[in-house]
Amino acid sequence: KNEVEQSPQNLTAQEGEFITINCSYSVGISALHWLQQHPGGGIVSLFMLSSGKKKHGRLIATINIQEKHSSLHITASHPRDSAVYICAVSNFGNEKLTFGTGTRLTIIP
Amino acid sequence: NAGVTQTPKFRVLKTGQSMTLLCAQDMNHEYMYWYRQDPGMGLRLIHYSVGEGTTAKGEVPDGYNVSRLKKQNFLLGLESAAPSQTSVYFCASSFLSRQGPPYEQYFGPGTRLTVT
Repeated sequence: KNEVEQSPQNLTAQEGEFITINCSYSVGISALHWLQQHPGGGIVSLFMLSSGKKKHGRLIATINIQEKHSSLHITASHPRDSAVYICAVSNFGNEKLTFGTGTRLTIIP
Repeated sequence: NAGVTQTPKFRVLKTGQSMTLLCAQDMNHEYMYWYRQDPGMGLRLIHYSVGEGTTAKGEVPDGYNVSRLKKQNFLLGLESAAPSQTSVYFCASSFLSRQGPPYEQYFGPGTRLTVT
């Protein structure tokens, strides 16, 4: 079973700053997922990637399979980006996800 | 499409009471999942289903039962609620793409359950 570690646990930044959230995992995976959870809200899938890099608006996700590491970047951060960002991995052979504990991001205007 | 919906949104139970949480999806997804989310812990899988009429245990199945009588619905039951089952419960679903796994999961809004 994979263990998924995220850092930092909490992050506070000023509006406009470049944000990086990191995720590392222990064994082989079929894909890595980045999810977003707003306070009191549901969970939304942002990215699912198994190699390279994906970009959606101001969000960029990268993965290094050899180093078992992924990063989520937010450019030109905005208060509406304040949320918990969750990293999860799909294990080979089944479609169950293993989740990290999340990174709570707060963007101050 | 409503996506994944959950009923109810909030519930307070007394120890020993029973209840059923309903998850419904209108995307014709094959896979459905029930998770619980507790402070300081990642989401944990309770039970899942790979198709109508099939269910399987996840990481933390004790104290819960599930049923998938219809493809669009996945029910989570607590037969005798305990304070340790106080949590936020999320349902999710995913479809089988022709390209094979991995599959993206779509989550419901969550149910906040308190057991006193």
